[in-house]
Amino acid sequence: DVKVTQSSRYLVKRTGEKVFLECVQDMDHENMFWYRQDPGLGLRLIYFSYDVKMKEKGDIPEGYSVSREKKERFSLILESASTNQTSMYLCASSLAFGQNSNQPQHFGDGTRLSIL
Amino acid sequence: AQTVTQSQPEMSVQEAETVTLSCTYDTSENNYYLFWYKQPPSRQMILVIRQEAYKQQNATENRFSVNFQKAAKSFSLKISDSQLGDTAMYFCAFTPENTDKLIFGTGTRLQVFP
Repeated sequence: DVKVTQSSRYLVKRTGEKVFLECVQDMDHENMFWYRQDPGLGLRLIYFSYDVKMKEKGDIPEGYSVSREKKERFSLILESASTNQTSMYLCASSLAFGQNSNQPQHFGDGTRLSIL
Repeated sequence: AQTVTQSQPEMSVQEAETVTLSCTYDTSENNYYLFWYKQPPSRQMILVIRQEAYKQQNATENRFSVNFQKAAKSFSLKISDSQLGDTAMYFCAFTPENTDKLIFGTGTRLQVFP
């Protein structure tokens, strides 16, 4: 079974702090994703990585950056946290399309982040 | 723009009954993939069922089945013999063939009552 592990289940930070959310997958997946989940808005893609050191902006990248130095790890960085970034953050991974195209994404448990 | 619409924010059903969750999408692509994901309370999001647009036959997974109407751009999920463990948020998602990025709907919260 694919395992996607997010480093924290709950996190509380202060406005202006630099925040790191970590995600690790154990199935050698090429793709990794960071989503934000808010009530009534569903899941919105923040950033997507299709290979080590490769990244692509999603629908709501403003205020976020990402890092993928190793294939199994994908970090989401809030450069200067603000209260409107209080949310649930979900990490996911999948095989690349073309290798059995459009494989489903596998999700972590989520990190509920509160910015005070 | 490609969008996914789930028009039912909340639904409820009695145990052992059948319930159908609606999903419509908008795209100009000819081939694509559709998914239903389930997110139980405080638990991990998991894949329920997957449909490829070029396949006429509706996908089924045990008690879960879809009604895929390509011309109407509709992809509803039917849950038969509902169980308490089916209580969850259900998300419909879409991806065109040439990308791995998913577009999600806003979700339907399903409550199964004893």
